[in-house]
Amino acid sequence: EIVLTQSPATLSLSPGERATLSCRASQSVNNFLAWYQQRPGQAPRLLISDVSNRATGIPARFSGSGSGTDFTLTISSLEPEDFAVYYCQQPTTWPPWYTFGQGTKLEIK
Amino acid sequence: QVQLQESGPGLANPSETLSLTCTVSGGPITSYFWSWIRQPPGKGLEWIGYVYYTGSTHFSPSLQSRVTISVDTSKNQFSLKLTSVTAADTAIYYCARHSPPHTGSYYFDYWGQGIMVTVSS
Repeated sequence: EIVLTQSPATLSLSPGERATLSCRASQSVNNFLAWYQQRPGQAPRLLISDVSNRATGIPARFSGSGSGTDFTLTISSLEPEDFAVYYCQQPTTWPPWYTFGQGTKLEIK
Repeated sequence: QVQLQESGPGLANPSETLSLTCTVSGGPITSYFWSWIRQPPGKGLEWIGYVYYTGSTHFSPSLQSRVTISVDTSKNQFSLKLTSVTAADTAIYYCARHSPPHTGSYYFDYWGQGIMVTVSS
């Protein structure tokens, strides 16, 4: 089982600031990694797939990077609606298994 | 626009079976993988299992002995059954569509709003 560890657990920033969220895998995920945003009371929303591909309708201020075992989600300039919990996720292709990190809560400072 | 909607009882008795249905609208259920994912209150996300429109399935190793997922293409629905539930199965249950096959179907691009299921007598 591949374990995803996200850091920090909580990130306190102000609107307009840059956010950098980390996801580390216990072994290489072959660049199959996604990021999701979950606002309070809502379902998760796909932001980024395959490390760096923005999903349809996702603003350009969201970007993903990394390779192998270390990945980063960057939000270039925080908007009020960006304060939420973010999860990384990876698939094990065979046998099929989909695991999530424990989440990073991005809160308003 | 594809939409998913979970339905079913919000309360289950311990040791009994939890049954939920996801209705897909705005797009076909065929040609895609469909998953159930749950989230205990205040905690993270756990993948339960998937069904392909053909009926083939795969489950999380930690739950596979208790899980059944089926699909009804005529109704554009798929369903979850989880047997022998305990308080640890209390969670929001989400249904989700996998990303299109040409992308590898590795991610979840459409989600239902979720349904809270409490296991309690």
